[in-house]
Amino acid sequence: EDQVTQSPEALRLQEGESSSLNCSYTVSGLRGLFWYRQDPGKGPEFLFTLYSAGEEKEKERLKATLTKKESFLHITAPKPEDSATYLCAVQSYQLIWGAGTKLIIKP
Amino acid sequence: DSGVTQTPKHLITATGQRVTLRCSPRSGDLSVYWYQQSLDQGLQFLIQYYNGEERAKGNILERFSAQQFPDLHSELNLSSLELGDSALYFCASSVGDSPTYEQYFGPGTRLTVT
Repeated sequence: EDQVTQSPEALRLQEGESSSLNCSYTVSGLRGLFWYRQDPGKGPEFLFTLYSAGEEKEKERLKATLTKKESFLHITAPKPEDSATYLCAVQSYQLIWGAGTKLIIKP
Repeated sequence: DSGVTQTPKHLITATGQRVTLRCSPRSGDLSVYWYQQSLDQGLQFLIQYYNGEERAKGNILERFSAQQFPDLHSELNLSSLELGDSALYFCASSVGDSPTYEQYFGPGTRLTVT
């Protein structure tokens, strides 16, 4: 059965403290992996699409990487405005969403 | 601003009632997706339309239905509402018919069933 698991469920960091969020998946035939950011009460905002193992994409303090079994969202020197829930979604024959990681950056 | 609009922003109604949520996709996008997000659950995919035709179905209840009109706006109809239907309902749009394309989400409609 296709499955997407995000860890940790929540992560508290101090401003400037770099870390990584994980999205592990078990799907038959990966067609794409997506990262979204969601602020409370708002719609998810698209960040990245990764299509194949080894691919990396960057945007400001965020960098997404992909292997055959998981993806990492690395956040470097985060700021309080990076606080949000980060969602991962994996596309095989259907799009499967993870439950998200709630990231809190304390000043 | 994603370019996707949803109305109304908030909706409060009673159990047993019927409501209609409206979504206008980004200019040029042909696909519309509907999602439900409850407090204790993640995003639940409900249904997708592409250029007026139903393309994929997720965990959509029989009490719920949707359609996409020739001008590409979409409506989600929820009937015989129950307390458990209280949630945020998001619409997203994308340019293609496959979920391989990134989706752009609207601000959501918060539905409260009392």
